[in-house]
Amino acid sequence: AQKVTQAQTEISVVEKEDVTLDCVYETRDTTYYLFWYKQPPSGELVFLIRRNSFDEQNEISGRYSWNFQKSTSSFNFTITASQVVDSAVYFCALSDPTSRAQGGSEKLVFGKGMKLTVNP
Amino acid sequence: NAGVTQTPKFQVLKTGQSMTLQCAQDMNHEYMSWYRQDPGMGLRLIHYSVGAGITDQGEVPNGYNVSRSTTEDFPLRLLSAAPSQTSVYFCASRTGYGVTTDTQYFGPGTRLTVL
Repeated sequence: AQKVTQAQTEISVVEKEDVTLDCVYETRDTTYYLFWYKQPPSGELVFLIRRNSFDEQNEISGRYSWNFQKSTSSFNFTITASQVVDSAVYFCALSDPTSRAQGGSEKLVFGKGMKLTVNP
Repeated sequence: NAGVTQTPKFQVLKTGQSMTLQCAQDMNHEYMSWYRQDPGMGLRLIHYSVGAGITDQGEVPNGYNVSRSTTEDFPLRLLSAAPSQTSVYFCASRTGYGVTTDTQYFGPGTRLTVL
C-alpha cells in the first residue's frame, strides 16, 4: 500500500536559515506523482509542486527547491534563506494509481505534515 | 474563476444532528473529493467522485454520505453527527483521473465541531 512518511513533525528556525523538509514514500507502482502542499496559519492548502516518477531532475523555484531521488524513495523540499512568511504546515503527498487500475480513481495519500516556524 | 468554494467556514453541531457541507467548483473539473484533517493525521480521504452520478468511498467513509448530481457540486452529508467527526473538512477538485491527472486544488475548508 502507498505510504508517505514525514519524519519531522515540527521544526523551528531563525529567519535566513536554510531548512530541508524530508519526505519518504512507499509504492509498488512504477508510475506515480509526488506533491508538496503548504498550509499557512490561515488554513487553506496551497499547491507547491507536482513531480512525476519519470522525472528525477531537481527543481528550483525562487527560494524553493526539490530533490527527488527514486533510489531512496525520497522527495525532499528545501527552503533557502527562510522568511517568516514561510511559517506553515507542509504536506508531502503521493498519488495512488492502484485504485484507478481497480476501476476506481487515483487518490492522494498524504503524509502527516511538518510544522515549520520561522522566527524573526 | 472562484475555484473551489466551501460553505460554511465554521459550524458547531450537537451530537445526533445532521447537516450538509457544501462544495462547489467552477472549473468544470470531473474529479471531486472530500478529506478530513485531524491533528497529527494529515489528510484522509472520505469520499470522491469521478463525475456526475458516480461516487465512491475513500479511506474513512463511515458516517458520511455524498452525491454528485451536477459537475459543479459535491455536498457531504453527516446524517447523525458524532464528536469523532470534529475535524476540518476540505473539498478538492481536479480535471480528470488517471496517471496524467492535473493537480488537485483545495477549497478553504470547513471547521466542524460536534459537541
